[in-house]
Amino acid sequence: NAGVTQTPKFRILKIGQSMTLQCTQDMNHNYMYWYRQDPGMGLKLIYYSVGAGITDKGEVPNGYNVSRSTTEDFPLRLELAAPSQTSVYFCASSYPGTGGTNTEAFFGQGTRLTVV
Amino acid sequence: QKEVEQDPGPLSVPEGAIVSLNCTYSNSAFQYFMWYRQYSRKGPELLMYTYSSGNKEDGRFTAQVDKSSKYISLFIRDSQPSDSATYLCAINDYKLSFGAGTTVTVRA
Repeated sequence: NAGVTQTPKFRILKIGQSMTLQCTQDMNHNYMYWYRQDPGMGLKLIYYSVGAGITDKGEVPNGYNVSRSTTEDFPLRLELAAPSQTSVYFCASSYPGTGGTNTEAFFGQGTRLTVV
Repeated sequence: QKEVEQDPGPLSVPEGAIVSLNCTYSNSAFQYFMWYRQYSRKGPELLMYTYSSGNKEDGRFTAQVDKSSKYISLFIRDSQPSDSATYLCAINDYKLSFGAGTTVTVRA
């Protein structure tokens, strides 16, 4: 099993450019997440999805967009990149538990993005 | 108010010491809690998973939940240099909210 795959692993963007971070999982998980992690900081939730066609904002959604057209894929779009978006981005997926809870989340290896 | 708060540390201990990590959470309705471990430049991995109040032990690791005070803890006994990592607590609801993480260094 590949698990959660993120591409690219590294990227340098110029201010104002756009890009899409790809995330795909092969575990048939309903829940998928995008987090950003700044140096020495925890994970901040950008967007999440509880199933295909359903997305919702997390803690820090400004400057980002997502879509979930299939169970497997959950791309994150950056429009008009800014230096404040320099971070490590993690995609994760999990299977729902009972009563709105979660089971173990599996993370990708991250995308290191620098905006200059 | 953040759903889960965690002291970011950092924490440095000698090998063999007990490591104690703590988080507080805001919503008393939460029942499931997780601890993730993250090595440098890697994605987080699930370490422990606990439900409601009480203790759960797995080898050198013990996770503890005190619902009356909305406090969750992770203890690492006989700490090893290989335990050096960032430890993140998480609330196990569909949003999967994480604490800030505590970076632990175990000195040989």
